[in-house]
Amino acid sequence: EAEVAQSPRYKITEKSQAVAFWCDPISGHATLYWYRQILGQGPELLVQFQDESVVDDSQLPKDRFSAERLKGVDSTLKIQPAELGDSAMYLCASSLVSQGTYEQYFGPGTRLTVT
Amino acid sequence: QKEVEQDPGPLSVPEGAIVSLNCTYSNSAFQYFMWYRQYSRKGPELLMYTYSSGNKEDGRFTAQVDKSSKYISLFIRDSQPSDSATYLCGHMDTGRRALTFGSGTRLQVQP
Repeated sequence: EAEVAQSPRYKITEKSQAVAFWCDPISGHATLYWYRQILGQGPELLVQFQDESVVDDSQLPKDRFSAERLKGVDSTLKIQPAELGDSAMYLCASSLVSQGTYEQYFGPGTRLTVT
Repeated sequence: QKEVEQDPGPLSVPEGAIVSLNCTYSNSAFQYFMWYRQYSRKGPELLMYTYSSGNKEDGRFTAQVDKSSKYISLFIRDSQPSDSATYLCGHMDTGRRALTFGSGTRLQVQP
């Protein structure tokens, strides 16, 4: 069964350092999402890609966060510099673009701890 | 007002009980809803989705939408300890293909 892959699974970093997360969506899924989930809350969308283009990054803190999906397949989310408040689970999801099909499939997430 | 709201729980039930998990939503125009299950330290897993009103059943799970009260529910019959997880409801904006989640309800099924 096809799955969304993410790495690393866990990351501990000191504040002011740079950190990057990687996501490989399910093959053929044109839409890719990055979410942030703070403990005890639901996931919140950071950025949405359609192929290599950003569709929605309105909730992405652009002063420190960046995301790219250069070839329209895998994607990288970067934080520089990391702050204590960035400690959270970062989830990647992908979706097939098809009429009437909206299901999003999530990866296992990257748990970030900023010390 | 948040688009989708959930009681965070925790909800604790004995094994075999019928579980009712509920969400309210803010906009009567919303039509497409999803339920995800999330085990501790894992990514959310899609359980069911419903469109418009009425019921949808899949095994022990039934999703229900009540448009008159802007209420969505997930029922779990014959609950098992393996059902212990956080359950997330979400609204899908089909135009933007964007999913907005509630805060999740933590369920504990006691053996």
